[in-house]
Amino acid sequence: GIQVEQSPPDLILQEGANSTLRCNFSDSVNNLQWFHQNPWGQLINLFYIPSGTKQNGRLSATTVATERYSLLYISSSQTTDSGVYFCAVERGYGGATNKLIFGTGTLLAVQP
Amino acid sequence: DAGVIQSPRHEVTEMGQEVTLRCKPISGHDYLFWYRQTMMRGLELLIYFNNNVPIDDSGMPEDRFSAKMPNASFSTLKIQPSEPRDSAVYFCASSLAGKGNQPQHFGDGTRLSIL
Repeated sequence: GIQVEQSPPDLILQEGANSTLRCNFSDSVNNLQWFHQNPWGQLINLFYIPSGTKQNGRLSATTVATERYSLLYISSSQTTDSGVYFCAVERGYGGATNKLIFGTGTLLAVQP
Repeated sequence: DAGVIQSPRHEVTEMGQEVTLRCKPISGHDYLFWYRQTMMRGLELLIYFNNNVPIDDSGMPEDRFSAKMPNASFSTLKIQPSEPRDSAVYFCASSLAGKGNQPQHFGDGTRLSIL
């Protein structure tokens, strides 16, 4: 099956710093989503981004499907950005399945 | 607008007991997903429905697990009999079908502890 690798596995930032999280996937995809799991365990959908670039406030994401990676940018980080960031993909052949395969996540801690 | 609603938020029970988790998807969404999250295995898709019909249950770990969706606004995940290794956080998510795939929206999860 498709493999999803995220890096770095964990990251500590000072408030105000910028960061880039990476998601590599082993096969073509037609669906890629970024999620944030906050310290209370809630999973929030950040981006649906199978290709191209999107921005939402201090967050932006870019997916280069042909090179099989996606990047999540966090600018001017805040303590509320802490948590685990997951990338999830759906394979891009054989018709739509809606089955998301999740990466192992990047654990982010933003210190005041 | 109300998001995906799951109940209960926490469940603690003894092994061998039946456990029923409940989910109300976002109104109008026609896909519903059940996930399980553990430290060892991360987030795994157990089963998903489209228009109340189970489409893929290949992630259901064994026959002790069953899921139903009797109508568009309600789904259950049942474990009978429960075992300690079933302890995990169970998430329900829903999405809207459209041209291509759509973002999945998650409920707050049910934290299940089997003693």
